[in-house]
Amino acid sequence: DSGVTQTPKHLITATGQRVTLRCSPRSGDLSVYWYQQSLDQGLQFLIQYYNGEERAKGNILERFSAQQFPDLHSELNLSSLELGDSALYFCASSQGQADYGYTFGSGTRLTVV
Amino acid sequence: AQSVTQLGSHVSVSEGALVLLRCNYSSSVPPYLFWYVQYPNQGLQLLLKYTSAATLVKGINGFEAEFKKSETSFHLTKPSAHMSDAAEYFCAVRGGGGYNKLIFGAGTRLAVHP
Repeated sequence: DSGVTQTPKHLITATGQRVTLRCSPRSGDLSVYWYQQSLDQGLQFLIQYYNGEERAKGNILERFSAQQFPDLHSELNLSSLELGDSALYFCASSQGQADYGYTFGSGTRLTVV
Repeated sequence: AQSVTQLGSHVSVSEGALVLLRCNYSSSVPPYLFWYVQYPNQGLQLLLKYTSAATLVKGINGFEAEFKKSETSFHLTKPSAHMSDAAEYFCAVRGGGGYNKLIFGAGTRLAVHP
């Protein structure tokens, strides 16, 4: 157990739907990062939050949004889902910046049918 | 911009043989470099990191990596492969605006044969 908790582990949904992925960071970590892992794109950085504020944005689609709450857990919202959004979504956390690496959760596997 | 390139998407070795996974980086500032391992159906686990201290870095499970500035490389090695080492390995560099995220390579899948 890495200390980073992601729920749900698996999610199957239809095209056009909206889903919410949840992440609880390791105790004491203020930064949360979201990544998408797919066979054709590899590990793609989506977005980072630090203590409730957005700090960095990567290749995140406009249909996707995220937030970090006062208790530091984070949610990634994916809407108007397309088949191509099927992927593993990872959350990672760190104390502050990425200088010493992250701790990853075990991921949410999203399948859009 | 920072980036990493992993040479070889698949590497196959025999049990007991040397493991060598290659990673070259590009960085406009002194790099912070990382190796992660991903076992099937699991998240990524940090193997080791280079943060400008000793150039030879030892990690978990008998892995080590050497930072070579002249070659812009950070190759991962293990003297003797074990069946349990079969996994996907990712090299990463700290980067992005503000150097506040990790940028990952495409990964190398390691197969270990008896």
